[in-house]
Amino acid sequence: SQQGEEDPQALSIQEGENATMNCSYKTSINNLQWYRQNSGRGLVHLILIRSNEREKHSGRLRVTLDTSKKSSSLLITASRAADTASYFCATDSNYQLIWGAGTKLIIKP
Amino acid sequence: DGGITQSPKYLFRKEGQNVTLSCEQNLNHDAMYWYRQDPGQGLRLIYYSQIVNDFQKGDIAEGYSVSREKKESFPLTVTSAQKNPTAFYLCATRLGGAKDTQYFGPGTRLTVL
Repeated sequence: SQQGEEDPQALSIQEGENATMNCSYKTSINNLQWYRQNSGRGLVHLILIRSNEREKHSGRLRVTLDTSKKSSSLLITASRAADTASYFCATDSNYQLIWGAGTKLIIKP
Repeated sequence: DGGITQSPKYLFRKEGQNVTLSCEQNLNHDAMYWYRQDPGQGLRLIYYSQIVNDFQKGDIAEGYSVSREKKESFPLTVTSAQKNPTAFYLCATRLGGAKDTQYFGPGTRLTVL
């Protein structure tokens, strides 16, 4: 079952601009994670935010979590061509992660 | 991808044949997972194992089988009963509890001819 839903499905921006993608989920969570997938590759963990946290930073990444709205956002600042990838949110459920369908981000030079 | 290997990278099989995908890890992680990814889609859980000699069905286990005889290995067999097996298959591991992150292998792309 898929709990997370990312929005938008696809996003194309100019290099240097900021990229924002959103994730909504349905049930209560312990944490929410964001992963990146380059085309045809495995996923790489980016950041984890716990349910009692509202904002977290890692380099050019900023994640927010609003548990009242059951939503999270991932902001990538000063985008680079290497940021071109698909981005997935995942929420924990027992010993599994529940995945959204992802946002495909394209950074134009 | 470090520490998790999947082989082969590309696999072709004829309809009606079983095929086994390999996943090996040297991270000493307890839990291992198999996911299926279709184009433009998220990940769907096939099977997972929290400990050696134990595994659980995920959301789409029909037509698949696994074994967990060793901590390092979690092979996935795609049987002829799987009606639409062409997909990208990802193996992942996790160190400990449900709150830990997952680490992914590079994936195997299976194509049924």
